[in-house]
Amino acid sequence: EPEVTQTPSHQVTQMGQEVILRCVPISNHLYFYWYRQILGQKVEFLVSFYNNEISEKSEIFDDQFSVERPDGSNFTLKIRSTKLEDSAMYFCASSDRVLTGELFFGEGSRLTVL
Amino acid sequence: DAKTTQPTSMDCAEGRAANLPCNHSTISGNEYVYWYRQIHSQGPQYIIHGLKNNETNEMASLIITEDRKSSTLILPHATLRDTAVYYCIVSLGGSNYKLTFGKGTLLTVNP
Repeated sequence: EPEVTQTPSHQVTQMGQEVILRCVPISNHLYFYWYRQILGQKVEFLVSFYNNEISEKSEIFDDQFSVERPDGSNFTLKIRSTKLEDSAMYFCASSDRVLTGELFFGEGSRLTVL
Repeated sequence: DAKTTQPTSMDCAEGRAANLPCNHSTISGNEYVYWYRQIHSQGPQYIIHGLKNNETNEMASLIITEDRKSSTLILPHATLRDTAVYYCIVSLGGSNYKLTFGKGTLLTVNP
């Protein structure tokens, strides 16, 4: 069964450092998303991406965040200067235009900012 | 997106049906009801969705009331591996949409 894969599974970084989280969406999907979940809290939408541009972003997704699809397979989330409050599980998801309603989520990348 | 209300937690015996309720009294006519679940800290997993009619797939059944103000997710024969947080989400749907997760219902399946 096709799946969304994310790397790294866990990253520890120092405050102020740049972090790139990587995702390989399902190959025929056209829509890509990042969500995050701070420990013990709700899953929160960050951004959606289609046709090489951001479709929608939440207020969490400020200037320190950026997304990119650098090639035909990867979808990345960059956090420019990490803060302690960026510590969370980050989930990538993708969807197929035809399959309305179903987002396929990856297993997540846990980011710990010290 | 319309707001949903779910019980905080529920228990179910292994092998029995688990019926998870959700209230969405402010749902609009073009909004879908989606159910996802999250096992421990894994990525959310899609279960089922519907608009007006009841739906069934290999995982579950979704019963939507005629006025669409509430729905019930049914896991027909719950197993220990169904222990998870279940989220009922109302959304416009389509491919370019975001999901607004609430706190969901923690379903614990007991042996």
